[in-house]
Amino acid sequence: GAVVSQHPSRVICKSGTSVKIECRSLDFQATTMFWYRQFPKKSLMLMATSNEGSKATYEQGVEKDKFLINHASLTLSTLTVTSAHPEDSSFYICSARDRVANYEQYFGPGTRLTVT
Amino acid sequence: SQQGEEDPQALSIQEGENATMNCSYKTSINNLQWYRQNSGRGLVHLILIRSNEREKHSGRLRVTLDTSKKSSSLLITASRAADTASYFCATSGNTPLVFGKGTRLSVIA
Repeated sequence: GAVVSQHPSRVICKSGTSVKIECRSLDFQATTMFWYRQFPKKSLMLMATSNEGSKATYEQGVEKDKFLINHASLTLSTLTVTSAHPEDSSFYICSARDRVANYEQYFGPGTRLTVT
Repeated sequence: SQQGEEDPQALSIQEGENATMNCSYKTSINNLQWYRQNSGRGLVHLILIRSNEREKHSGRLRVTLDTSKKSSSLLITASRAADTASYFCATSGNTPLVFGKGTRLSVIA
């Protein structure tokens, strides 16, 4: 099946620093990628949708200047958490849609961000 | 939004028993998917059922879909301690997958 990777799997950073998370579709082209956020014992909440070569569409309540999304190629999207604060600590999961395989959506393994 | 809502929110059963989780959603869908997530881990795709299907099986999993009631159920038969996890349904229309709140299943050995 289609594989989506995320890097890093875990990251600890200090308040005020920025962290970049990469999401790659390994064996398919993803014109659309999604970023989700999950708090402990909660469900996944969609943060934004990114289309290759265009600006991301953010869900209501998600600060686009804080969560910078870049989808520069058909296999790579990045999420940068800028000026991170402890409340940004969360599990971030990316997902990629395979335009060939009937637009199936595949998920990465997630990135655990801890801001100290 | 077409967020799925699972019930129960938490379920505790003995090993060997069957576990049934339900999911309701609000709008028309192309398909409905069930995922599993172990604590602190990523999502594992379990099964996808399309809007024109009523039932699907995969190993010990059985999923039903009732589009008239906008509901789905996931049945895990002969549960094992290793089935302990959170289970989410996710619905797909022409939009990104939207997840329900999940059911936390505990299987006691």
